[in-house]
Amino acid sequence: GNSVTQMEGPVTLSEEAFLTINCTYTATGYPSLFWYVQYPGEGLQLLLKATKADDKGSNKGFEATYRKETTSFHLEKGSVQVSDSAVYFCALQGGNKLVFGAGTILRVKS
Amino acid sequence: NAGVTQTPKFQVLKTGQSMTLQCAQDMNHEYMSWYRQDPGMGLRLIHYSVGAGITDQGEVPNGYNVSRSTTEDFPLRLLSAAPSQTSVYFCASSQAGTGVPEQYFGPGTRLTVT
Repeated sequence: GNSVTQMEGPVTLSEEAFLTINCTYTATGYPSLFWYVQYPGEGLQLLLKATKADDKGSNKGFEATYRKETTSFHLEKGSVQVSDSAVYFCALQGGNKLVFGAGTILRVKS
Repeated sequence: NAGVTQTPKFQVLKTGQSMTLQCAQDMNHEYMSWYRQDPGMGLRLIHYSVGAGITDQGEVPNGYNVSRSTTEDFPLRLLSAAPSQTSVYFCASSQAGTGVPEQYFGPGTRLTVT
């Protein structure tokens, strides 16, 4: 079946540091890949997505590239801010169903 | 445009009690779903619906019932609450059909079963 594995957190960074959150997946076929973000006390929001191999999704300074050869979709940001502190979920979609990773807590210190 | 709304925000139940978590969307989305979020496990799909009158089970359906009588509403019923159902519950909706529709999430309901 489909599954997503994310690096465990929490990840603690200083402001302006470089961020990488690793995500790998197992899937049949060619799923779409997503990163969702959950700010404290809120629901999930779509951060970025990629629908086919070598696509790069980007939003708010975050980027992730769909790597079919390594079955990965790592999230990166060049310079994090305190306001980026949240839980980040990697997910894959087959049809309308989303399969989520366990989530990675990011804490950014000023 | 309210998006996806959920009520209540918080609920405490005793073991064996029943209750209904409400979910509504005003975007005319065909697809609606319920997830539960537990620490270290991400979100897991409980039930989903591809349109009024059509529902199906997700990954963890036991102990939960759903119905979809209208496009807008998708309530989740706990028939006899158990401590293992302590969790945060999220409702989501999206358009159906081809392509990769974005799923929109509600703010969640935090349920504690004692």
